[in-house]
Amino acid sequence: EDQVTQSPEALRLQEGESSSLNCSYTVSGLRGLFWYRQDPGKGPEFLFTLYSAGEEKEKERLKATLTKKESFLHITAPKPEDSATYLCAVQVNQAGTALIFGKGTTLSVSS
Amino acid sequence: DTGVSQDPRHKITKRGQNVTFRCDPISEHNRLYWYRQTLGQGPEFLTYFQNEAQLEKSRLLSDRFSAERPKGSFSTLEIQRTEQGDSAMYLCASKGRTGGTEAFFGQGTRLTVV
Repeated sequence: EDQVTQSPEALRLQEGESSSLNCSYTVSGLRGLFWYRQDPGKGPEFLFTLYSAGEEKEKERLKATLTKKESFLHITAPKPEDSATYLCAVQVNQAGTALIFGKGTTLSVSS
Repeated sequence: DTGVSQDPRHKITKRGQNVTFRCDPISEHNRLYWYRQTLGQGPEFLTYFQNEAQLEKSRLLSDRFSAERPKGSFSTLEIQRTEQGDSAMYLCASKGRTGGTEAFFGQGTRLTVV
C-alpha cells in the first residue's frame, strides 16, 4: 500500500534555530513529491515539486531535498511567520493523478 | 488569475440535511479535484474531473456524495443526508492542462454537522 509518513508531528523552534522536517514514503512508483504549507483554517499553499532522487529546490528560508526513500524540508534561520503545518504529498504512477498526503508537521517558531 | 475559489467558507447544518458546495477553479485549468481533511490529518482524495468528465472516485466517496462539473468549468459537491462524521474541511484543487504538475488549492469549506 502506498504510504507517506511525516515526522515529527510537531516541532517547536526558537527564531533563528535551523532544523529539518522529514517525509518518508513507500510507493509503487513515484511520479512526484510535493511540499505544501497550510495555515490554520486555510487551504494548502504549494511550495515545491521534486521528481527524482538528488533533486533540490529552494525558496527563501526553505530548501527541499529528495532521496529514493524520503524527502527533507530544511528550514534555515526560521522566523515566527514560518509557523504553519507543512504537508508532504506524493503522486504515484499507478494511483491516477490524485495526491497521497502525510499527516503533516506542525511547526511553531517563537521569537 | 484569482486562484481557486470555494463557496461557502463555512457551513453548519443539522444531521440529515443536504448540503452543496461550489468550487471555481483557476480559469485555464482543466483538471479539478475534491479532497476532505479532518483535524490533525492530511487531505484525503475524494474525486477527480478532467474537463466535465469524472474520471476517478475514491472508496471514501459514499453513495451520499455526488459531484458534478457541468461544461468543465465550476464544480459542485453535494452531500445528502449528512451525518456527524461528514464534519470536515472540504478542499478543491485545480491543475493546468500543461506545464507543472502541482495542484493549487482553494481555501476550503468547513462543514459542521450538528
